[in-house]
Amino acid sequence: GQQVMQIPQYQHVQEGEDFTTYCNSSTTLSNIQWYKQRPGGHPVFLIQLVKSGEVKKQKRLTFQFGEAKKNSSLHITATQTTDVGTYFCAGPHAGGTSYGKLTFGQGTILTVHP
Amino acid sequence: DSGVTQTPKHLITATGQRVTLRCSPRSGDLSVYWYQQSLDQGLQFLIHYYNGEERAKGNILERFSAQQFPDLHSELNLSSLELGDSALYFCASSLRTGGTEAFFGQGTRLTVV
Repeated sequence: GQQVMQIPQYQHVQEGEDFTTYCNSSTTLSNIQWYKQRPGGHPVFLIQLVKSGEVKKQKRLTFQFGEAKKNSSLHITATQTTDVGTYFCAGPHAGGTSYGKLTFGQGTILTVHP
Repeated sequence: DSGVTQTPKHLITATGQRVTLRCSPRSGDLSVYWYQQSLDQGLQFLIHYYNGEERAKGNILERFSAQQFPDLHSELNLSSLELGDSALYFCASSLRTGGTEAFFGQGTRLTVV
């Protein structure tokens, strides 16, 4: 079945440093979604990428969808303490008996040291 | 506030017992997903319903079952509980199936003692 792998599992940075998490799917995705879960909170939708090679920005966050639509990345420039949390990518199954199933990567836990 | 309501927020129960977790999706959302999150773990997909019908199953144990009712709320039933079932259980809803953004509830923290 479809697998979504995310690396790294943990990332510790000093405030002001950049951060990147990578997501790879075993199958081609129709779209990819990114979520953030603050400590003690629930996952919150950040963005969805649909087109091959798409790049979207949200302030200090840059999201990319690979040309083959099998990988994606999230880059945060100049991290702040408010960026702490777990970042998940998620990809929907395109068809078959699991159509619509939203598979999440294992997440990257980001710690920002002031 | 995501608009997804989960009850109860916390549940402590003994091994061997049965519990029911409830989820009310956002108004208008037809899809409901259930996920299990253990300590420092990712989101393990359990089951997906769309407009009352089961659409996809993950690695859901036979002791677990779920349903989505005509008013679109959903319940996750966990029976013969074991210590290892202790986890955070999230419900998420989305407008359609097939990859629209999902809105998560606050979760139910289940502790089995």
